[in-house]
Amino acid sequence: GAVVSQHPSRVICKSGTSVKIECRSLDFQATTMFWYRQFPKKSLMLMATSNEGSKATYEQGVEKDKFLINHASLTLSTLTVTSAHPEDSSFYICSARLAGGSDEQYFGPGTRLTVT
Amino acid sequence: GDSVTQMEGPVTLSEEAFLTINCTYTATGYPSLFWYVQYPGEGLQLLLKATKADDKGSNKGFEATYRKETTSFHLEKGSVQVSDSAVYFCAGTAVNTGTASKLTFGTGTRLQVTL
Repeated sequence: GAVVSQHPSRVICKSGTSVKIECRSLDFQATTMFWYRQFPKKSLMLMATSNEGSKATYEQGVEKDKFLINHASLTLSTLTVTSAHPEDSSFYICSARLAGGSDEQYFGPGTRLTVT
Repeated sequence: GDSVTQMEGPVTLSEEAFLTINCTYTATGYPSLFWYVQYPGEGLQLLLKATKADDKGSNKGFEATYRKETTSFHLEKGSVQVSDSAVYFCAGTAVNTGTASKLTFGTGTRLQVTL
């Protein structure tokens, strides 16, 4: 149980285009989802906290107009990287917390974004 | 702000060797502490956790004890296997001003176990 999927697993896009990444909780409802970015040989950096039905809370230094987050249902959150640039190339990981559950977060397998 | 520091890898051990991966934290208050494991090509999985001082988390032969006096949560296993090869992340929670607790991660330690 508590499986989180991400789609796509890998995406290559051209500079200036936008790309959407989906995060789904497959067998549970998640009122809160988190989006992280992982740089090579670095830790996970929290980008934003996404609550179902409300606006996401972004961490300091993360541009909310560039990284659009939508949490439209209890099982789906999307991250859209708008006007992507090569420096946005990274590994993006989402996690989800059980509705009414503990602090534990369940992580997706990640999405490798390459902007050319 | 809160931070988690863990030893840099990679750590290379022979099968059945003893493993220690150090982790220390800096936080206001006393966070919950976690160890996550990331196997190749997979997402992070919770390995074990401890929510208060002197708690010991354990799972799959791994253990870690929440030491308030040294602000540490070192991961140990008495006898590692090849299948333990993965990246291990230490993490701690800090309570948001909202309802969700945020995780602060260490940089990860890659463990390679050889026959």
